[in-house]
Amino acid sequence: EDQVTQSPEALRLQEGESSSLNCSYTVSGLRGLFWYRQDPGKGPEFLFTLYSAGEEKEKERLKATLTKKESFLHITAPKPEDSATYLCAVQASGGSYIPTFGRGTSLIVHP
Amino acid sequence: NAGVMQNPRHLVRRRGQEARLRCSPMKGHSHVYWYRQLPEEGLKFMVYLQKENIIDESGMPKERFSAEFPKEGPSILRIQQVVRGDSAAYFCASSPKATGTPGELFFGEGSRLTVL
Repeated sequence: EDQVTQSPEALRLQEGESSSLNCSYTVSGLRGLFWYRQDPGKGPEFLFTLYSAGEEKEKERLKATLTKKESFLHITAPKPEDSATYLCAVQASGGSYIPTFGRGTSLIVHP
Repeated sequence: NAGVMQNPRHLVRRRGQEARLRCSPMKGHSHVYWYRQLPEEGLKFMVYLQKENIIDESGMPKERFSAEFPKEGPSILRIQQVVRGDSAAYFCASSPKATGTPGELFFGEGSRLTVL
């Protein structure tokens, strides 16, 4: 069974204080790993797709990296508007390719 | 707005009533996924549909829950005889990708069901 574990569950940062979120996964064969951002009362918004170990993607203050067992979402010099829940999901190579989501990391950035 | 449209956004039902949640995918998308989200929990997969076909319903309870995606019109998630435990946010997502091709999902804003 595919498993996705995100840590920490919650993270509080001061504005400008860089940090990383972790997503550990167990899957029979990885077809894709996805990062989403979810604001309160909203649906998840797609951020990145990573396909293979060593791959990196960047968008503004966010950078996602991938190894064979985990992915990191690095947040550089965060701003209060980066406050949200960040979700990680994996899509396996077998079955019907349903994305499995982790529980997310709730990030709060204080001004 | 060319995004995924869900309605109603909020729905209140009494125990024993029926709830119908609708989802119109993004234009050009023929793959629809339904997920349920409880407070402090992640998104739990329920059902994956293509037009007129249920591809995977392994996450959907066998009783009281059903889903469809007709040739014309939105996808519908139907919950019969609702119980308090059905209270949750239900998200619909769509994708243009064919089965087996990795791809991101595009989510709607969700339908929040409250059972009294």
